[in-house]
Amino acid sequence: GAGVSQSPSNKVTEKGKDVELRCDPISGHTALYWYRQSLGQGLEFLIYFQGNSAPDKSGLPSDRFSAERTGGSVSTLTIQRTQQEDSAVYLCASSLEGGRNSPLHFGNGTRLTVT
Amino acid sequence: DAKTTQPPSMDCAEGRAANLPCNHSTISGNEYVYWYRQIHSQGPQYIIHGLKNNETNEMASLIITEDRKSSTLILPHATLRDTAVYYCIVSQAAGNKLTFGGGTRVLVKP
Repeated sequence: GAGVSQSPSNKVTEKGKDVELRCDPISGHTALYWYRQSLGQGLEFLIYFQGNSAPDKSGLPSDRFSAERTGGSVSTLTIQRTQQEDSAVYLCASSLEGGRNSPLHFGNGTRLTVT
Repeated sequence: DAKTTQPPSMDCAEGRAANLPCNHSTISGNEYVYWYRQIHSQGPQYIIHGLKNNETNEMASLIITEDRKSSTLILPHATLRDTAVYYCIVSQAAGNKLTFGGGTRVLVKP
Protein backbone atom coordinates (compact mmCIF):
# COMPACT_ATOMS: atom_id res chain seq x y z
CA GLY A 1 0.00 0.00 0.00
CA ALA A 2 0.96 3.65 -0.22
CA GLY A 3 3.38 4.91 2.36
CA VAL A 4 3.87 8.37 3.80
CA SER A 5 4.21 10.91 1.02
CA GLN A 6 6.02 14.22 1.38
CA SER A 7 6.25 17.14 -1.00
CA PRO A 8 8.23 18.76 -2.34
CA SER A 9 11.17 16.38 -2.17
CA ASN A 10 13.55 19.31 -2.45
CA LYS A 11 13.06 22.99 -1.73
CA VAL A 12 15.53 25.82 -2.15
CA THR A 13 14.51 29.16 -0.70
CA GLU A 14 16.08 32.50 0.07
CA LYS A 15 16.71 33.59 3.62
CA GLY A 16 13.71 35.44 5.00
CA LYS A 17 11.11 33.70 2.82
CA ASP A 18 8.32 31.50 4.18
CA VAL A 19 8.05 27.84 3.17
CA GLU A 20 5.35 25.19 3.47
CA LEU A 21 6.11 21.49 3.56
CA ARG A 22 3.36 18.94 3.02
CA CYS A 23 2.83 15.45 4.44
CA ASP A 24 0.25 12.86 3.38
CA PRO A 25 0.16 10.13 6.04
CA ILE A 26 -0.80 6.52 5.53
CA SER A 27 -4.57 6.26 5.21
CA GLY A 28 -6.25 5.48 8.52
CA HIS A 29 -3.29 6.49 10.68
CA THR A 30 -4.42 8.73 13.52
CA ALA A 31 -1.01 9.94 14.69
CA LEU A 32 1.34 12.18 12.69
CA TYR A 33 4.84 13.35 13.57
CA TRP A 34 7.32 15.86 12.18
CA TYR A 35 11.07 15.48 12.68
CA ARG A 36 14.06 17.20 11.15
CA GLN A 37 17.54 15.93 10.45
CA SER A 38 20.41 18.31 9.92
CA LEU A 39 23.39 17.20 7.84
CA GLY A 40 25.18 14.33 9.58
CA GLN A 41 23.00 14.64 12.66
CA GLY A 42 20.33 12.53 14.30
CA LEU A 43 16.59 13.04 14.08
CA GLU A 44 15.10 15.86 16.13
CA PHE A 45 11.43 15.66 17.13
CA LEU A 46 9.38 18.73 16.24
CA ILE A 47 5.64 18.18 16.70
CA TYR A 48 3.08 15.38 17.14
CA PHE A 49 -0.64 15.21 16.29
CA GLN A 50 -2.98 12.56 17.69
CA GLY A 51 -6.57 12.51 16.52
CA ASN A 52 -8.47 15.59 17.65
CA SER A 53 -6.23 16.28 20.64
CA ALA A 54 -4.17 19.44 20.91
CA PRO A 55 -0.80 18.86 19.21
CA ASP A 56 2.38 18.33 21.19
CA LYS A 57 4.54 21.24 20.05
CA SER A 58 7.33 20.67 22.56
CA GLY A 59 10.00 20.14 19.90
CA LEU A 60 9.43 23.24 17.78
CA PRO A 61 12.68 25.24 17.93
CA SER A 62 11.13 28.72 17.64
CA ASP A 63 7.86 30.53 17.02
CA ARG A 64 8.79 30.73 13.33
CA PHE A 65 7.79 27.08 13.09
CA SER A 66 4.16 25.97 13.05
CA ALA A 67 2.17 23.02 11.78
CA GLU A 68 -1.41 22.10 11.23
CA ARG A 69 -3.27 18.96 10.35
CA THR A 70 -6.51 19.43 8.50
CA GLY A 71 -9.30 16.89 8.71
CA GLY A 72 -7.13 14.50 10.63
CA SER A 73 -5.14 13.67 7.51
CA VAL A 74 -2.80 15.93 5.55
CA SER A 75 -0.36 18.06 7.52
CA THR A 76 1.56 21.19 6.61
CA LEU A 77 4.71 22.39 8.37
CA THR A 78 5.31 26.12 7.89
CA ILE A 79 8.57 27.91 8.53
CA GLN A 80 8.36 31.69 8.49
CA ARG A 81 11.27 34.02 7.77
CA THR A 82 13.61 31.12 7.05
CA GLN A 83 17.18 31.21 8.32
CA GLN A 84 20.22 29.33 7.06
CA GLU A 85 20.21 27.15 10.18
CA ASP A 86 16.78 25.87 9.10
CA SER A 87 18.47 23.95 6.28
CA ALA A 88 17.79 20.27 6.95
CA VAL A 89 15.74 17.29 5.85
CA TYR A 90 12.24 17.51 7.28
CA LEU A 91 10.71 14.08 7.88
CA CYS A 92 7.10 13.20 8.46
CA ALA A 93 5.89 9.95 10.02
CA SER A 94 2.53 8.46 10.83
CA SER A 95 1.37 5.62 13.05
CA LEU A 96 -1.88 3.76 13.39
CA GLU A 97 -2.65 4.77 16.96
CA GLY A 98 0.24 6.76 18.45
CA GLY A 99 0.68 4.35 21.33
CA ARG A 100 3.87 2.59 22.38
CA ASN A 101 2.95 -0.52 20.43
CA SER A 102 2.33 1.41 17.23
CA PRO A 103 5.36 1.79 14.94
CA LEU A 104 6.08 5.05 13.15
CA HIS A 105 6.36 4.88 9.37
CA PHE A 106 8.42 7.62 7.78
CA GLY A 107 8.35 9.36 4.44
CA ASN A 108 11.54 10.17 2.57
CA GLY A 109 11.52 13.78 3.66
CA THR A 110 11.79 17.24 2.16
CA ARG A 111 15.33 18.55 1.80
CA LEU A 112 15.20 22.28 2.59
CA THR A 113 18.08 24.51 1.61
CA VAL A 114 18.05 28.14 2.71
CA THR A 115 20.46 30.32 0.73
CA ASP B 1 13.18 8.38 29.28
CA ALA B 2 15.29 5.28 28.85
CA LYS B 3 18.41 5.88 26.80
CA THR B 4 20.18 3.38 24.59
CA THR B 5 23.84 2.62 23.93
CA GLN B 6 25.01 1.17 20.64
CA PRO B 7 28.46 0.65 19.12
CA PRO B 8 29.14 3.44 16.62
CA SER B 9 30.03 1.11 13.78
CA MET B 10 30.46 -2.49 12.75
CA ASP B 11 31.31 -4.48 9.66
CA CYS B 12 29.79 -7.76 8.62
CA ALA B 13 30.25 -10.15 5.74
CA GLU B 14 27.68 -10.55 3.02
CA GLY B 15 25.64 -13.71 3.51
CA ARG B 16 26.47 -13.99 7.18
CA ALA B 17 24.25 -13.13 10.13
CA ALA B 18 24.65 -9.63 11.52
CA ASN B 19 24.14 -9.26 15.26
CA LEU B 20 23.60 -5.69 16.42
CA PRO B 21 23.72 -5.10 20.18
CA CYS B 22 21.93 -2.43 22.19
CA ASN B 23 21.97 -1.61 25.89
CA HIS B 24 18.95 -0.01 27.56
CA SER B 25 19.57 -0.60 31.24
CA THR B 26 17.09 2.05 32.44
CA ILE B 27 14.13 0.77 30.44
CA SER B 28 10.78 0.79 32.23
CA GLY B 29 8.43 -2.16 32.36
CA ASN B 30 5.98 -0.79 29.82
CA GLU B 31 8.46 0.64 27.31
CA TYR B 32 8.99 -1.07 23.98
CA VAL B 33 12.29 -1.53 22.17
CA TYR B 34 12.19 -0.40 18.55
CA TRP B 35 14.70 -0.87 15.74
CA TYR B 36 14.86 1.33 12.67
CA ARG B 37 17.42 1.72 9.93
CA GLN B 38 18.25 4.60 7.66
CA ILE B 39 19.79 4.13 4.27
CA HIS B 40 21.45 7.18 2.76
CA SER B 41 19.01 9.84 1.53
CA GLN B 42 15.96 7.95 2.72
CA GLY B 43 13.68 8.25 5.73
CA PRO B 44 14.09 5.80 8.62
CA GLN B 45 12.63 2.38 7.90
CA TYR B 46 10.83 0.46 10.63
CA ILE B 47 12.34 -2.99 11.21
CA ILE B 48 10.87 -4.58 14.33
CA HIS B 49 9.82 -3.89 17.90
CA GLY B 50 9.13 -5.84 21.08
CA LEU B 51 8.29 -5.58 24.76
CA LYS B 52 9.80 -8.63 26.44
CA ASN B 53 9.34 -11.61 24.15
CA ASN B 54 11.62 -12.34 21.23
CA GLU B 55 10.13 -11.26 17.92
CA THR B 56 10.70 -12.27 14.32
CA ASN B 57 9.44 -10.90 11.04
CA GLU B 58 10.46 -11.06 7.41
CA MET B 59 13.29 -8.60 7.96
CA ALA B 60 14.91 -9.55 11.22
CA SER B 61 14.75 -11.11 14.66
CA LEU B 62 14.79 -9.26 17.96
CA ILE B 63 16.21 -10.94 21.02
CA ILE B 64 15.49 -9.20 24.35
CA THR B 65 17.24 -10.38 27.50
CA GLU B 66 15.12 -11.59 30.38
CA ASP B 67 15.93 -8.52 32.49
CA ARG B 68 15.16 -6.35 29.41
CA LYS B 69 18.33 -4.34 29.90
CA SER B 70 19.71 -5.20 26.49
CA SER B 71 18.65 -6.53 23.13
CA THR B 72 20.13 -7.79 19.88
CA LEU B 73 18.85 -7.26 16.37
CA ILE B 74 19.71 -10.14 14.08
CA LEU B 75 19.78 -9.83 10.30
CA PRO B 76 19.92 -13.51 9.35
CA HIS B 77 21.64 -13.20 5.96
CA ALA B 78 23.15 -9.76 5.45
CA THR B 79 23.19 -8.35 1.93
CA LEU B 80 24.93 -5.29 0.55
CA ARG B 81 21.57 -3.50 0.64
CA ASP B 82 21.54 -3.85 4.42
CA THR B 83 24.34 -1.27 4.68
CA ALA B 84 22.74 1.50 6.75
CA VAL B 85 22.65 3.22 10.12
CA TYR B 86 20.67 1.11 12.59
CA TYR B 87 18.89 2.79 15.48
CA CYS B 88 17.81 1.10 18.70
CA ILE B 89 15.15 3.20 20.45
CA VAL B 90 13.07 2.90 23.58
CA SER B 91 9.56 4.27 23.27
CA GLN B 92 8.71 7.37 25.26
CA ALA B 93 5.76 7.61 27.58
CA ALA B 94 3.38 9.81 25.63
CA GLY B 95 2.61 9.53 21.96
CA ASN B 96 5.48 7.20 21.15
CA LYS B 97 7.73 10.16 20.23
CA LEU B 98 10.79 8.12 19.44
CA THR B 99 14.15 9.70 20.29
CA PHE B 100 16.86 8.73 17.82
CA GLY B 101 20.43 8.52 19.08
CA GLY B 102 23.59 8.03 17.08
CA GLY B 103 22.89 4.47 15.98
CA THR B 104 25.29 1.87 14.62
CA ARG B 105 26.71 2.39 11.15
CA VAL B 106 26.71 -1.09 9.59
CA LEU B 107 28.80 -1.81 6.54
CA VAL B 108 28.14 -5.10 4.78
CA LYS B 109 31.18 -6.18 2.81
CA PRO B 110 31.32 -8.63 -0.11
